[in-house]
Amino acid sequence: AQSVTQPDIHITVSEGASLELRCNYSYGATPYLFWYVQSPGQGLQLLLKYFSGDTLVQGIKGFEAEFKRSQSSFNLRKPSVHWSDAAEYFCAVVPSGAGSYQLTFGKGTKLSVIP
Amino acid sequence: KAGVTQTPRYLIKTRGQQVTLSCSPISGHRSVSWYQQTPGQGLQFLFEYFSETQRNKGNFPGRFSGRQFSNSRSEMNVSTLELGDSALYLCASSLRGDRMNTEAFFGQGTRLTVV
Repeated sequence: AQSVTQPDIHITVSEGASLELRCNYSYGATPYLFWYVQSPGQGLQLLLKYFSGDTLVQGIKGFEAEFKRSQSSFNLRKPSVHWSDAAEYFCAVVPSGAGSYQLTFGKGTKLSVIP
Repeated sequence: KAGVTQTPRYLIKTRGQQVTLSCSPISGHRSVSWYQQTPGQGLQFLFEYFSETQRNKGNFPGRFSGRQFSNSRSEMNVSTLELGDSALYLCASSLRGDRMNTEAFFGQGTRLTVV
């Protein structure tokens, strides 16, 4: 069964510092990959997605992610974190073949930002 | 363009009761998926509906059911509520069709508390 691992449960960074959130997936074929962000008590907002092509994808709010097939990873990065980035971040995959559109999520990484 | 709308936002129910949650997808989107989010289990797939047909169901008991109407609006029902059903229920809509390389957009969720 496919799975998504986010090894860091909680990360704290200072405002202005760079950020990298890790995501690894386990799946037979390259799935489609997503990063979502969730503020407390809210729904999920899509930050960026990877379907194919350029392995470095740009998203909203200054985030980017790099797909590395050899490492089965899709890490999220931001060069300079803002206090408003404090939230929980989820990596998710959906199989690239036909079938039910079912997202499999990682357990999430909670980001705290020190002013 | 309006986003995904979930109603109600908050619900408090008593154990043993049943509950119905509603989701209106983005206009033109024909796929609606439901997810349960709890602190312990994270985000778990409940079911997906496409063109009024259930395409897939997650590993949940039969007390969890859903349906989709001809206008793509969806409802999910939970009967005989248990304390463990307390969760944030999220609805997602996507274009889907025959394409898996499409993103899902989430609603704000319905926070269900069972007492």
